[in-house]
Amino acid sequence: YELTQAPSVSVSPGQTASITCSGDKLGNKNVCWYQQRPGQPPILVIYQSNRRPSGIPARFSGSNSGNTATLTISETQAVDEADYYCQDTTTAVFGGGTKLTVL
Amino acid sequence: EVQLSESGGGLVQPGGSLRLTCAASGFTFSYSAMTWVRQAPGKGLEWVSSISGSGSNTHYADSVKGRFTISRDNSKNTVYLQMNSLRAEDTATYYCAKVSSGYDYWGQGTLVTVSS
Repeated sequence: YELTQAPSVSVSPGQTASITCSGDKLGNKNVCWYQQRPGQPPILVIYQSNRRPSGIPARFSGSNSGNTATLTISETQAVDEADYYCQDTTTAVFGGGTKLTVL
Repeated sequence: EVQLSESGGGLVQPGGSLRLTCAASGFTFSYSAMTWVRQAPGKGLEWVSSISGSGSNTHYADSVKGRFTISRDNSKNTVYLQMNSLRAEDTATYYCAKVSSGYDYWGQGTLVTVSS
């Protein structure tokens, strides 16, 4: 089972960033999203496709339908610049990751 | 406060063995499944193995099946990853993580380098 992510996404500060993750019938599965800054372990930012753990800003949201899950970051800040990984919790497979650049 | 601390990484020759240890605190360890995830230098995340809270159920990625063994000691709040027949492609930072709805807490990782 494979999950496909775009290698990179760029966004201007204050704008909305959308990071997608594609997989066969992914909308029928639970998806997690992780943020990883350089030299740091990953942080869970979305679980069960659209739920935020405590401590994660409300700017982070998730959706999942059809073959695509989406992580949306509204009012993007410089601190959001990081790699983002999706994961299918059924198979534990990770997507290849998307580098978010805020410029 | 949940804390996870990995140890046991280092330099090993191809074909060699290492045992990684993850010490946990700050939560009811025996209630939580645990997992190992690795990340090769400059690459993405790869799930390696998971174990249930009781230790009775284990799962492995195809890439390590038959070579790696996950186990846990609930009396010591510790999870292990025994790695045998190591290959160059096993070179990575190995993270342990607590499993809840997703991997909600991660350790800082331990680096394993397989090279002659």
